[in-house]
Amino acid sequence: QQPVQSPQAVILREGEDAVINCSSSKALYSVHWYRQKHGEAPVFLMILLKGGEQKGHDKISASFNEKKQQSSLYLTASQLSYSGTYFCGTELDRDDKIIFGKGTRLHILP
Amino acid sequence: NAGVTQTPKFRVLKTGQSMTLLCAQDMNHEYMYWYRQDPGMGLRLIHYSVGEGTTAKGEVPDGYNVSRLKKQNFLLGLESAAPSQTSVYFCASSLSGRSNQPQHFGDGTRLSIL
Repeated sequence: QQPVQSPQAVILREGEDAVINCSSSKALYSVHWYRQKHGEAPVFLMILLKGGEQKGHDKISASFNEKKQQSSLYLTASQLSYSGTYFCGTELDRDDKIIFGKGTRLHILP
Repeated sequence: NAGVTQTPKFRVLKTGQSMTLLCAQDMNHEYMYWYRQDPGMGLRLIHYSVGEGTTAKGEVPDGYNVSRLKKQNFLLGLESAAPSQTSVYFCASSLSGRSNQPQHFGDGTRLSIL
């Protein structure tokens, strides 16, 4: 089941904070976050596991809601380089296949 | 550091033609994946492999075949290309299938079927 990402697109000014959401109809075991710039490959940002463990970028954080059906990605004090499309990939069970959402386009203005 | 290398980078085919996309990784990863990316659709898994000699179907496997004869290579084949297969194809690899392992992506192959 493909996760639903929101918002679809967001425009911010440099230095502002961004929050991107990834929702599932079922409880998640893990959420993987990637960023893709236009014409380039997706690049790994971080993994959030069911138990709260995080692995990845030190300036980016994520959390689950109480039911673990939604994850939010937090980008603090955004930089111009943060522009791109953000994809979440979700696992329903441990070591399962990852299913990616349709993406959230983030544009940072100077 | 090569990482994941895909060839070719671009290709134009006519309907009905066949071709093979090659993915090579030099990180000794066990798992390899093929995705297609269409505008507004995100990344959709076509086939994947959990090790040399193994393959499995993903979300959208129809019209594609794969092989993994060597650990470092994962081939994606289109036997009879159709316009609906026009897409950007990404290969990825991961050390294992464990939940805490990230995927490393190649630069993609842009394929147009006329």
